[in-house]
Amino acid sequence: GQQVMQIPQYQHVQEGEDFTTYCNSSTTLSNIQWYKQRPGGHPVFLIQLVKSGEVKKQKRLTFQFGEAKKNSSLHITATQTTDVGTYFCAAIRTGNQFYFGTGTSLTVIP
Amino acid sequence: SAVISQKPSRDICQRGTSLTIQCQVDSQVTMMFWYRQQPGQSLTLIATANQGSEATYESGFVIDKFPISRPNLTFSTLTVSNMSPEDSSIYLCSVESADYEQYFGPGTRLTVT
Repeated sequence: GQQVMQIPQYQHVQEGEDFTTYCNSSTTLSNIQWYKQRPGGHPVFLIQLVKSGEVKKQKRLTFQFGEAKKNSSLHITATQTTDVGTYFCAAIRTGNQFYFGTGTSLTVIP
Repeated sequence: SAVISQKPSRDICQRGTSLTIQCQVDSQVTMMFWYRQQPGQSLTLIATANQGSEATYESGFVIDKFPISRPNLTFSTLTVSNMSPEDSSIYLCSVESADYEQYFGPGTRLTVT
């Protein structure tokens, strides 16, 4: 089936450093969502982007939807240990098919 | 947001047996989904369960292996049938809000020996 790829697969950062994960699709997306899954937990909804070129911020997190609606990014400024977890994008294609990206696992070293 | 519970939270089962996982939501929802997540992997959608109709299965998943019930707007079950070790995974149910946000249950961790 169609995949939504995320890079990098893993990222280790020192606390205080920035972090970015990228989400890429080969097809145009209706919307894109981002989820965070803490170790041992379940995915938790963070945000949804709908418009081409849209940028949204949540405190230290900045989310962007590409102009062509085929890619997205999540940027965390000055990471903290509470940011540890796996970040998934989830793409909604036309017809409301819903696919999770491959995920980026973030480790923050204190 | 919706509050979702799942039973059991975990189980260890012998190959060839079946396990039924329950998903309960604290509000009425139209769309419920079942996912599988293998260790260190992403979530794979198994099927969409709508009340009053047959579940819609994704490619690679079939009703005989993963029968689903959706008797009302707050409850669904997923059965993993004739289990093999390859079925060892975390199974999650989720519901969708009017804005397409998904809220997940805590998951059921299944180990098949």
